[in-house]
Amino acid sequence: ETGVTQTPRHLVMGMTNKKSLKCEQHLGHNAMYWYKQSAKKPLELMFVYNFKEQTENNSVPSRFSPECPNSSHLFLHLHTLQPEDSALYLCASSQDSSGRSYEQYFGPGTRLTVT
Amino acid sequence: AQKVTQAQTEISVVEKEDVTLDCVYETRDTTYYLFWYKQPPSGELVFLIRRNSFDEQNEISGRYSWNFQKSTSSFNFTITASQVVDSAVYFCALSEAGGFKTIFGAGTRLFVKA
Repeated sequence: ETGVTQTPRHLVMGMTNKKSLKCEQHLGHNAMYWYKQSAKKPLELMFVYNFKEQTENNSVPSRFSPECPNSSHLFLHLHTLQPEDSALYLCASSQDSSGRSYEQYFGPGTRLTVT
Repeated sequence: AQKVTQAQTEISVVEKEDVTLDCVYETRDTTYYLFWYKQPPSGELVFLIRRNSFDEQNEISGRYSWNFQKSTSSFNFTITASQVVDSAVYFCALSEAGGFKTIFGAGTRLFVKA
């Protein structure tokens, strides 16, 4: 595997379900990101992890719970979601900051539908 | 506060036409980074270019070129001799130096017709 992979690619869940999204990067990066992309909103940053530590939480509701066990893996645990949470969830990775800002490499996304 | 504006929501051109995608940004930082990404129908954003605020040289990569002008806070992207495969949504983005928070514009959807 190369680049950034995400599973599952599509997910349909009810509002009472619990599910998890998985992201894995094979680029040797130390920073990983979760973004939400809705039909009528710009790409929204949700969470950032750098060297497994959370550095950004963009006021995301607690029904989204991230987990970063190591620099290569990132999870997004979902529970009691709302229909408005239906969106494309994108994972990305980049080199760590070191005073600069590096480009991000994105996975193909998980298309989530909440019914 | 940082902001990225892509005023063009959709652009439609015929193959072989040149097209320019506009990007205007706002930031109070003196050091910052600008990016362009391409999102084809498959959904995966693809990095195209990164430019830091101290490097105002324009860049050309094949049919792609970028014009960075600090005086007008713009970072425009031109595709020369467009092709159907260029059809995608293009995002301009802004990031502070040393940080991870990247602000994306709303995107411009480009349709290139054969």
